Amino acid sequence: DAGVIQSPRHEVTEMGQEVTLRCKPISGHNSLFWYRQTMMRGLELLIYFNNNVPIDDSGMPEDRFSAKMPNASFSTLKIQPSEPRDSAVYFCASTGGTGGILNTGELFFGEGSRLTVL
Amino acid sequence: AQSVTQLDSHVSVSEGTPVLLRCNYSSSYSPSLFWYVQHPNKGLQLLLKYTSAATLVKGINGFEAEFKKSETSFHLTKPSAHMSDAAEYFCVVSERTGTASKLTFGTGTRLQVTL
Repeated sequence: DAGVIQSPRHEVTEMGQEVTLRCKPISGHNSLFWYRQTMMRGLELLIYFNNNVPIDDSGMPEDRFSAKMPNASFSTLKIQPSEPRDSAVYFCASTGGTGGILNTGELFFGEGSRLTVL
Repeated sequence: AQSVTQLDSHVSVSEGTPVLLRCNYSSSYSPSLFWYVQHPNKGLQLLLKYTSAATLVKGINGFEAEFKKSETSFHLTKPSAHMSDAAEYFCVVSERTGTASKLTFGTGTRLQVTL
């Protein structure tokens, strides 16, 4: 079975450039999460979707960040313009079933997109 | 509000000796608790979960954890460490907020296994 697929795995860009990270959740999963991981702040939830609808975006750092889920099999996280402090590993995770994580008990993570902003 | 504290940022054990990774939580309600493992350059993978059933929970790769409400703890143990256990381990607490649910991750414990 294919797991959560993220692309690109690595991205190096210059400050001010637009960055788009992509995620394909596991087929049949109806909840999708975007996390950011850094040494300083650990793992932070940015936003999560349920049935393609954003439920909680309180973790999105600022207006430079935006996320979309146009259909059940695809999501994007966009940073425009990017800044060096956005350098991190960005993880996408998905889960399924009613009630999300509490019922299924498991988040399935992708392998992450490592972003470096110079 | 919920929170989770991993008491050790780094633990080093010799191969074949027991592993203990400590986790304390705070939750307003009956929590669900999880341990996840992250190997280098990989995503997180669920090791085990507690969701108000048996307090001693067995997971993959020989790991287990015991939910102790009186101590608000959910420590992760393994009788005998293997080199392949070297990784970062995250304790996670979940809380339902309305119709949704939210996870809070600990800061992680890096397990080093030496020969």
